[in-house]
Amino acid sequence: GEDVEQSLFLSVREGDSSVINCTYTDSSSTYLYWYKQEPGAGLQLLTYIFSNMDMKQDQRLTVLLNKKDKHLSLRIADTQTGDSAIYFCALRESSASKIIFGSGTRLSIRP
Amino acid sequence: GAVVSQHPSWVICKSGTSVKIECRSLDFQATTMFWYRQFPKQSLMLMATSNEGSKATYEQGVEKDKFLINHASLTLSTLTVTSAHPEDSSFYICSAIYRGPGNQPQHFGDGTRLSIL
Repeated sequence: GEDVEQSLFLSVREGDSSVINCTYTDSSSTYLYWYKQEPGAGLQLLTYIFSNMDMKQDQRLTVLLNKKDKHLSLRIADTQTGDSAIYFCALRESSASKIIFGSGTRLSIRP
Repeated sequence: GAVVSQHPSWVICKSGTSVKIECRSLDFQATTMFWYRQFPKQSLMLMATSNEGSKATYEQGVEKDKFLINHASLTLSTLTVTSAHPEDSSFYICSAIYRGPGNQPQHFGDGTRLSIL
């Protein structure tokens, strides 16, 4: 089955850019998502990209997709303390309703 | 605002008690709802997929008789943890997909923290 991997931790200085990476194994994934989870809360959809796109930008968020390398990244510009959270990448096939989550990357911000 | 409401947000109960968790889609009809379990500092583990009016599809290793799922309407799914024990303590999250064409992302509830004493 699909295997989605992320690094567990990332620490960045406030004001710098954060880049969270995700690799996957199943090339049939059509929809690729980034979710944010704050402590004790559910998941918030941040952004998503279709597999026929290479890049998507939404305000401070930039998603890059490298289909050849099966690599997805989320860049957060001008990282703020409110960005501290766990970030999950998730993938879904067009014919399937369920999505597969990565392990999550815990982003911490240092002053 | 929230598009999926999950209730209760926190439950503490004695071992042997059955606990029901509700998941409601607000302002939209959900063809499919999902139930996840999340252990501390871990990712979400899909427990079951619930389609309105039909039996839920459980993931491998999830006990159907332990985790009862009912999806009686297009806006409500319930998860009942029967005869709960301390090992069932966890964070349970539901999500729902809007009934419509194209890419419909999952909208998540805020989760239910279940603590069994």
